Amino acid sequence: DIVMTQTPRSSPVILGQPASISCKSSQSLVHSDGNTYLSWLHQRPGQPPRLLLYKISNRFLGVPDRFSGSGAGTDFTLKISRVEAEDVGIYYCMQPLQSPYTFGQGTKLEIK
Amino acid sequence: QVQLVQSGAEEKKPGASLKVSCKTSGHNFVGYYIHWVRQAPGQGLEWMGWIDPNSGAPDYAPNFQGRFTMTWDTSTTTAYMELNRLTSDDTAMYYCVREDDYFDAFDIWGQGTMVTVSS
Repeated sequence: DIVMTQTPRSSPVILGQPASISCKSSQSLVHSDGNTYLSWLHQRPGQPPRLLLYKISNRFLGVPDRFSGSGAGTDFTLKISRVEAEDVGIYYCMQPLQSPYTFGQGTKLEIK
Repeated sequence: QVQLVQSGAEEKKPGASLKVSCKTSGHNFVGYYIHWVRQAPGQGLEWMGWIDPNSGAPDYAPNFQGRFTMTWDTSTTTAYMELNRLTSDDTAMYYCVREDDYFDAFDIWGQGTMVTVSS
C-alpha cells in the first residue's frame, strides 16, 4: 500500500498569514499517462470532505486562488497564501493512483 | 446538479449487518466510479472500495475483504454498501463518493451516514 505522510499534524495560523502543509508518499504517484495522482481535500467540522486540488495543483470548481499545490513524484505541498476564517478544519492529501486508495493522517488548521 | 444522497443514521448490535444506500442524481454516471470511505469519530479517512456503475465490477480494500459488498442498481441509480459481522470498531461516518475520470479525484461526496455499533 502507498503510505501518505502529512506534516505538520496541527498548524495554528494568524488570519491573513500564509500556511503550508507537506505530504509525502511512500512511492511515486506518477501514472503511466504522465499525470501525477495527488489530491487535497478540506473537511470543516461536521461536514463531509470537499475536493480542493487534483493532480497536484489543479483547483477544483469554485476553489479560491489563495489555494495552490506544488510538488512532484513523492513530495507535495499545499499552500494557502492568506488564511481566512473559513479555511479552518482538517486538510487531507490522498492518492487515487492505485488500489487501495490511501489518505494522509490529516492536518488540523486552526486560527491562532 | 450532481448529488449523492445517503440513507439515514443507523444503530446496530455487534454481529449484525449494515446496509447503506447512496442515491445518485443529476448525471448519467458514465465514466465515473462510486467509492465508499469511512471516518471513525475523531479519526481520519479510510477507503473501503469502489464500484463501477457501468459494469458493476467492484474493488475492495484488503481490510474489508470478505465482509463488505458493494452493489449498483441501474434502474434507480443507487449504490449500496453492505458490511457484515459488525463490531464496535465499525462505528463511523460512512460516505459514498464519486470519482470523476476527468479530474481523477473524489469530486462529489454524499452527506454521510452515521453508524453506531453498540451492545
